[in-house]
Amino acid sequence: EVQLQQSGPEVGRPGSSVKISCKASGYTFTDYVMNWVKQSPGQGLEWIGWIDPEYGSTDYAEKFKKKATLTADTSSSTAYIQLSSLTSEDTATYFCARVAVATGFDYWGQGVMVTVSS
Amino acid sequence: DVQMTQSPSYLAASPGESVSISCKASKSINTYLAWYQEKPGKTNKLLIYSGSTLQSGTPSRFSGSGSGTDFTLTIRSLEPEDFAVYYCQQHNEYPLTFGSGTKLEIK
Repeated sequence: EVQLQQSGPEVGRPGSSVKISCKASGYTFTDYVMNWVKQSPGQGLEWIGWIDPEYGSTDYAEKFKKKATLTADTSSSTAYIQLSSLTSEDTATYFCARVAVATGFDYWGQGVMVTVSS
Repeated sequence: DVQMTQSPSYLAASPGESVSISCKASKSINTYLAWYQEKPGKTNKLLIYSGSTLQSGTPSRFSGSGSGTDFTLTIRSLEPEDFAVYYCQQHNEYPLTFGSGTKLEIK
């Protein structure tokens, strides 16, 4: 069974960074691109970017290029997103989601709530 | 970026009824449109991709149609478990973009 298990809620101070993990199981981690999606409180979904775990290649939405850094550890089948220079605008739930070719996001993590607070 | 306009934002219906949700793209996305279901306490679920292809496990009462810029998700004979939030998403080009969501509630 495919599962994407994300780490627990995070609280970050303004100006600091947080790093969230997404551990994949039930499939070959390097066979699928992993995406990250942001959902601000009471809002819709925003695509942040993707990482190809096999090659480490990445792509980001323009507004997240200086905010998010995507990495992957193939030895542990875990994808990460680091959010830097936190502001109140970064308070949101962050999801990892696997994508298969031309099918959309077929599996999602449960989401991680990040709260930015002093 | 492709803007996705989803409507209505809110929909109330009774079990057994049929409903439709619209999603319009700001430019042609061919048929590369996915629909997702969001429910509290559950991971988001891919229902339909490429406009009309049902993801494995999606009940047949769900259907998707459209191409180019206009798409529709139809749910026939609503079941209690269908009351949720639905999002469309274009997967034709990057950056991937989502509609603003439709909350389907029980009347």
